[in-house]
Amino acid sequence: KNQVEQSPQSLIILEGKNCTLQCNYTVSPFSNLRWYKQDTGRGPVSLTIMTFSENTKSNGRYTATLDADTKQSSLHITASQLSDSASYICVVTTNAGGTSYGKLTFGQGTILTVHP
Amino acid sequence: DGGITQSPKYLFRKEGQNVTLSCEQNLNHDAMYWYRQDPGQGLRLIYYSQIVNDFQKGDIAEGYSVSREKKESFPLTVTSAQKNPTAFYLCASSIFNPVRSNQPQHFGDGTRLSIL
Repeated sequence: KNQVEQSPQSLIILEGKNCTLQCNYTVSPFSNLRWYKQDTGRGPVSLTIMTFSENTKSNGRYTATLDADTKQSSLHITASQLSDSASYICVVTTNAGGTSYGKLTFGQGTILTVHP
Repeated sequence: DGGITQSPKYLFRKEGQNVTLSCEQNLNHDAMYWYRQDPGQGLRLIYYSQIVNDFQKGDIAEGYSVSREKKESFPLTVTSAQKNPTAFYLCASSIFNPVRSNQPQHFGDGTRLSIL
């Protein structure tokens, strides 16, 4: 069964500190891995997309890593800001069946709270 | 500004009533999707459409119906057959590409549906 597990479920840090969020998956065959940021009451916004051949990708203060061998990804946030408070969702895509849509499996998200 | 607009933001349903959630996009995307988000769970796919006048069931289609008469619009009807409709509903769109699936989905800001 395709699964995406994120840890921790929630995290509280002080403004200016760094943090790392984890994503483990059992999705196969693997197509790509995405990280989204979802503010409360809003829709998710794409942060990064990584294919099998990419092991790191940055978007400003967000850096995602991918280890396709161990089926793990992490999202590192540098110098956190109050606006980073949100849910961070890991999504793994499989190109099963040769369809153009593919199959997206969503993690349950990590809720990050940044305190001043 | 290009984007996805969902309306209404909040919706209340009475017993035995069908309700329709609106989703409009001006991104010229071929593919559109409906997801359901429940607390502590990953997004689950209800329906998706890769092209006008065509749509496919997702993982939890029972009790829902959709139409795709225009490229820009993908309304979702929550029927009385859906016994547990209280959730946050998200509409998304993406570029339709039959070869690659590593295109980000763009999400609307959701509709929160509750039961009266």
